[in-house]
Amino acid sequence: QQPVQSPQAVILREGEDAVINCSSSKALYSVHWYRQKHGEAPVFLMILLKGGEQKGHDKISASFNEKKQQSSLYLTASQLSYSGTYFCGTRGAGSYQLTFGKGTKLSVIP
Amino acid sequence: EAGVAQSPRYKIIEKRQSVAFWCNPISGHATLYWYQQILGQGPKLLIQFQNNGVVDDSQLPKDRFSAERLKGVDSTLKIQPAKLEDSAVYLCASSPASGHNTEAFFGQGTRLTVV
Repeated sequence: QQPVQSPQAVILREGEDAVINCSSSKALYSVHWYRQKHGEAPVFLMILLKGGEQKGHDKISASFNEKKQQSSLYLTASQLSYSGTYFCGTRGAGSYQLTFGKGTKLSVIP
Repeated sequence: EAGVAQSPRYKIIEKRQSVAFWCNPISGHATLYWYQQILGQGPKLLIQFQNNGVVDDSQLPKDRFSAERLKGVDSTLKIQPAKLEDSAVYLCASSPASGHNTEAFFGQGTRLTVV
């Protein structure tokens, strides 16, 4: 089942913050976040496995809610290099299939 | 460490023709995935291999798509015959294992245009 991402697109000025949400109607086993720049391959950002988990590096972090049905990606003090399309990929219990959402296009402008 | 290699990068064919894509995963990676990414959408899994065996091909249109991974290393994805709606980027990815907490490394993809 495909996860639902919101918003579909967002425009930020450098230094502003953004939140991208990923939700499922069923409890998930894991959530994977990727960023894809135009014409390039998706690049892995992080994986969340546990309910209530939060992790991050530099100024990009993510959380997985207690019910394991929603994850949010937080981009703090955005930089021009953060521009791209962000995808969440989800795995259900007992499934190896990684299903991606439709993506959130993030544009950071000077 | 070399990344996932795919070829060709671009391909234009007429509908009803055949086409094949090649993928060389990262050395030692047991799991290989083929994804189809239509413009403006997220990648859709077509088939997943664990070594040279198929783990999941539930979304592969088997009447026209086929894939193989001989010797558990390189893989080829074939479309025969192609339809206009097959126009997309075909991404190959690999990971060390197929567990829930493994990262998938993607190649740059093959952009297919069917005219």
